[in-house]
Amino acid sequence: NAGVTQTPKFRVLKTGQSMTLLCAQDMNHEYMYWYRQDPGMGLRLIHYSVGEGTTAKGEVPDGYNVSRLKKQNFLLGLESAAPSQTSVYFCASGRQGVVNTEAFFGQGTRLTVV
Amino acid sequence: TQLLEQSPQFLSIQEGENLTVYCNSSSVFSSLQWYRQEPGEGPVLLVTVVTGGEVKKLKRLTFQFGDARKDSSLHITAAQPGDTGLYLCAGRNYGGSQGNLIFGKGTKLSVKP
Repeated sequence: NAGVTQTPKFRVLKTGQSMTLLCAQDMNHEYMYWYRQDPGMGLRLIHYSVGEGTTAKGEVPDGYNVSRLKKQNFLLGLESAAPSQTSVYFCASGRQGVVNTEAFFGQGTRLTVV
Repeated sequence: TQLLEQSPQFLSIQEGENLTVYCNSSSVFSSLQWYRQEPGEGPVLLVTVVTGGEVKKLKRLTFQFGDARKDSSLHITAAQPGDTGLYLCAGRNYGGSQGNLIFGKGTKLSVKP
């Protein structure tokens, strides 16, 4: 069972470069999320999607864009990377319509911006 | 922006001790979840509480949802080294988008043998 797969697992970017993080889930989940995790800050929600073709801003959306063209994929883009975006990024997915739906997480992408 | 405040931020105890971790907010939540995260891994769900006053037990772990659905606690009895990890609470705001899942900053627990 693949579950939630994030690509790549590690990346080093120079300031100003762009990149896209890919998240794929094979559980037919409606909900997908992108979080960043920094020391002492827990998980902060960047953007989320409640279905194919829809996205919404979370707590810390600035500097990021997302797209959900296919139900199974949720892309996170950094147009012009900044050192402040150095973090571990987690993608998660969950079922729709259930108040206690579980979020299933990928293993994370460790991004360093130099 | 609703906030989930977790306390304590760090906890280091000896094997066999009991401990309680708290998750508090000024907002009402439709549900609260507790996740555990180990180094290099994504968080994994431990439990979901939905009803105000609800208590759930998972072996040596006891979870409680406050009557007003604004807070929750996690109590571990006779902690083991295997309980070491980052414990995160997460909530979905009441009446809002069910897709908006917010996490607290976490409690980092270390249980020494």
